[in-house]
Amino acid sequence: GQQLNQSPQSMFIQEGEDVSMNCTSSSIFNTWLWYKQEPGEGPVLLIALYKAGELTSNGRLTAQFGITRKDSFLNISASIPSDVGIYFCAGLRGGSNYKLTFGKGTLLTVNP
Amino acid sequence: DVKVTQSSRYLVKRTGEKVFLECVQDMDHENMFWYRQDPGLGLRLIYFSYDVKMKEKGDIPEGYSVSREKKERFSLILESASTNQTSMYLCASSLSRVKYFGPGTRLTVT
Repeated sequence: GQQLNQSPQSMFIQEGEDVSMNCTSSSIFNTWLWYKQEPGEGPVLLIALYKAGELTSNGRLTAQFGITRKDSFLNISASIPSDVGIYFCAGLRGGSNYKLTFGKGTLLTVNP
Repeated sequence: DVKVTQSSRYLVKRTGEKVFLECVQDMDHENMFWYRQDPGLGLRLIYFSYDVKMKEKGDIPEGYSVSREKKERFSLILESASTNQTSMYLCASSLSRVKYFGPGTRLTVT
């Protein structure tokens, strides 16, 4: 199936730093979702984006739906050790409520 | 809060065994999904169901079947487990565009 290009693959940062990751595609999506997965657990929804240009925050997390509808980014401000995990983007194309396309994830490590 | 639960967190089965993975959601969602997650391959859709007794193949249905007799429950069946089915299995449910995942079942086939 189609994949989203998610970058970076991994990040090693110091506590307190800001983090940015993004997903791009050659296809248009009508929904972008960002999930976080911790070791041995299922993905947990962080932010859902439904319209081009939409900017949504959830605490220290901010995500944007790209104007072209082919990309999205996630920012984490003032990182803390519990931010450690794998962050996934996922996109849903028009006409389907079923088939979500996932990025391969960004592994975030935060050094205290 | 949406709750998706999976019957087992860890499972070890032998090659050739029939394996049942159960998933239950408590939000009256119509759509339910089974994914497997493998390092380097990401999440891949096995099967999904958009209503009771309705099912559709995902991207990698070979070696699997599913059952949805009740709206809240979606079962994944490995008819004859093989070692290449060792993986993390994730169930999800959705009403519209947003999917909510369960905690996962780590299946090892020896």
